[in-house]
Amino acid sequence: GEDVEQSLFLSVREGDSSVINCTYTDSSSTYLYWYKQEPGAGLQLLTYIFSNMDMKQDQRLTVLLNKKDKHLSLRIADTQTGDSTIYFCAETHGSSNTGKLIFGQGTTLQVKP
Amino acid sequence: NAGVTQTPKFQVLKTGQSMTLQCAQDMNHEYMSWYRQDPGMGLRLIHYSVGAGITDQGEVPNGYNVSRSTTEDFPLRLLSAAPSQTSVYFCASSYTNPNNEQFFGPGTRLTVL
Repeated sequence: GEDVEQSLFLSVREGDSSVINCTYTDSSSTYLYWYKQEPGAGLQLLTYIFSNMDMKQDQRLTVLLNKKDKHLSLRIADTQTGDSTIYFCAETHGSSNTGKLIFGQGTTLQVKP
Repeated sequence: NAGVTQTPKFQVLKTGQSMTLQCAQDMNHEYMSWYRQDPGMGLRLIHYSVGAGITDQGEVPNGYNVSRSTTEDFPLRLLSAAPSQTSVYFCASSYTNPNNEQFFGPGTRLTVL
């Protein structure tokens, strides 16, 4: 079945760039997403990329997609302590959107001052 | 707009009890879904609906029922609660266009003793 894998933890210094990685197995995924989850809250969409794109930049966020290797990454430039939270990647299930998302386990980002 | 609302925020049940988790959205979204989140895991899809009167199973549907009699509401029913259903439950909604953001509710934390 479909699977999405992420590393569980990343620690960086304030001001550095953070790179959170994700691999997925469903080659028919149409969209891939990055969400974040603050403590005690639901998920909030950060950005998404369509499967025919290689890169998408949105202010401090850069998403890179390597479709051949089924690898997705989220780069956060100039990481701040306020960026410390859990980040989830997700893919759409199959080639048509019914809103079904498959999530990774989440990466906890710790930003040290 | 209130967005996606969920009630209750917290619930404790005994094994074998039944209950309904409520979810409502006021954004006229066609698509609604229920996920559960367990420690160290991403969100797993329980059931989803692409419109009023239409529901379908996700990854982990066993032990849960849903119905969608209106566009706004998508309740999740636990018929006979089990300790394995201890989790945090999130409801989400979106338009069904592929790149549309899923909006998540704040979650219901359920403990089954």
